[in-house]
Amino acid sequence: GENVEQHPSTLSVQEGDSAVIKCTYSDSASNYFPWYKQELGKRPQLIIDIRSNVGEKKDQRIAVTLNKTAKHFSLHITETQPEDSAVYFCAASHPGGSYIPTFGRGTSLIVHP
Amino acid sequence: GAGVSQSPSNKVTEKGKDVELRCDPISGHTALYWYRQSLGQGLEFLIYFQGNSAPDKSGLPSDRFSAERTGGSVSTLTIQRTQQEDSAVYLCASSPQTPRVGETQYFGPGTRLLVL
Repeated sequence: GENVEQHPSTLSVQEGDSAVIKCTYSDSASNYFPWYKQELGKRPQLIIDIRSNVGEKKDQRIAVTLNKTAKHFSLHITETQPEDSAVYFCAASHPGGSYIPTFGRGTSLIVHP
Repeated sequence: GAGVSQSPSNKVTEKGKDVELRCDPISGHTALYWYRQSLGQGLEFLIYFQGNSAPDKSGLPSDRFSAERTGGSVSTLTIQRTQQEDSAVYLCASSPQTPRVGETQYFGPGTRLLVL
């Protein structure tokens, strides 16, 4: 089955800096890669996703890049703010197999004011 | 519109008791997932329902865990003879899941279960 590795497990940055979280996946058939943000005590919520037919997607200060050849995808947050502090989860799935996404173990991002 | 709801929001029980956790998915969503999240940990997949198909129970940790989804909507996760290691947040998610490339999951607020 699919295996998703996520790094780093913890990331500490100063406000205004950029943050990058990386995930690798094992199943080359995976073609949908969402990112979820979970604030302390809250539910995970989708912040951005990418499908395998594109290499990059941006939404204001966040972007996701996908390298299908290398089987890795990354979340980029620019001009970080304290409210970006949360746990971020990546996931991979392919509906041709199973709709059950495989999640990474999460990255705890701390943005210091 | 209304999001995914779960009840109860918190549940404290004694070791050995049975508990039932409820999930109301977004109306029209055919896919429903249950996850377990221990303190500071990731999302552990438990079970997946899709329409009228047989559920994928591959993530259930033991036969003490079971789940039902009645009428393709509401789901109940039952834990029998609870153990202290069952203490966690149980998250439910639903997805519209059409036969095209992957679908976003919408999570409920979770049920925080504490087994004493």
